[in-house]
Amino acid sequence: SSELTQDPAVSVALGQTVRITCQGDSLRYYYATWYQQKPGQAPTLVYYGRDNRPSGIPDRISGSTSGNTASLTITGAQAEDEADYYCNSRDSSDDRVVFGGGTKLTVL
Amino acid sequence: QVQLVQSGSELKKPGASVRVSCKASGYTFTSHAINWVRQAPGQGLEWMGGINTNSGNPTYAQGFTGRLVFSFDTSVRTAYLQINSLKPEDTAVYYCARVYSGYDSSHKYRYYYMDVWGNGTAVTVSS
Repeated sequence: SSELTQDPAVSVALGQTVRITCQGDSLRYYYATWYQQKPGQAPTLVYYGRDNRPSGIPDRISGSTSGNTASLTITGAQAEDEADYYCNSRDSSDDRVVFGGGTKLTVL
Repeated sequence: QVQLVQSGSELKKPGASVRVSCKASGYTFTSHAINWVRQAPGQGLEWMGGINTNSGNPTYAQGFTGRLVFSFDTSVRTAYLQINSLKPEDTAVYYCARVYSGYDSSHKYRYYYMDVWGNGTAVTVSS
């Protein structure tokens, strides 16, 4: 399958660690890319490639991949991390770009 | 800095057409493809396709039945999305985004990401 599957919602207590996952066959060939989207705003790239964060993204955000599952980990979650998170990659057979359905992160 | 600035919101009737613009600055326009992504109210992100700003080759996602036209004008560093035969279900915010892609030969993995996004253009289709 070329789809990407995410849990619809995840919550984390302030200062704790949370992992957001993304599953799909394409992740065996493509690194997952992660975007953060806050209400009323455009998505923002927060993690890409094997181990890359754009300038300005805090290092408490990290990513990893194992088999067909990619994870975005936020260590010491802050209130400003509350947002929707989308994973993204490309189908390895037809180059179609795919997005996960998104995970709504709530920081309690 | 690198920026993509999109045109303003649009209100259209069913069956009409709309053209959204995406003006790039801060980088060499022809060095990166531009993708178009839309988000219906309360929904997730949907890739619509993209255009190679070097070759001019467009790629359209399935499901739009030939209603989309991607184009660009390098003289004004602007990409365009045109949607024909608008339907109420086309009501969404439309984003353009700059594309990076490549291959990590050390780990035998490909990468594909959109590093800069436009500010979004709300298109409402209603009679």
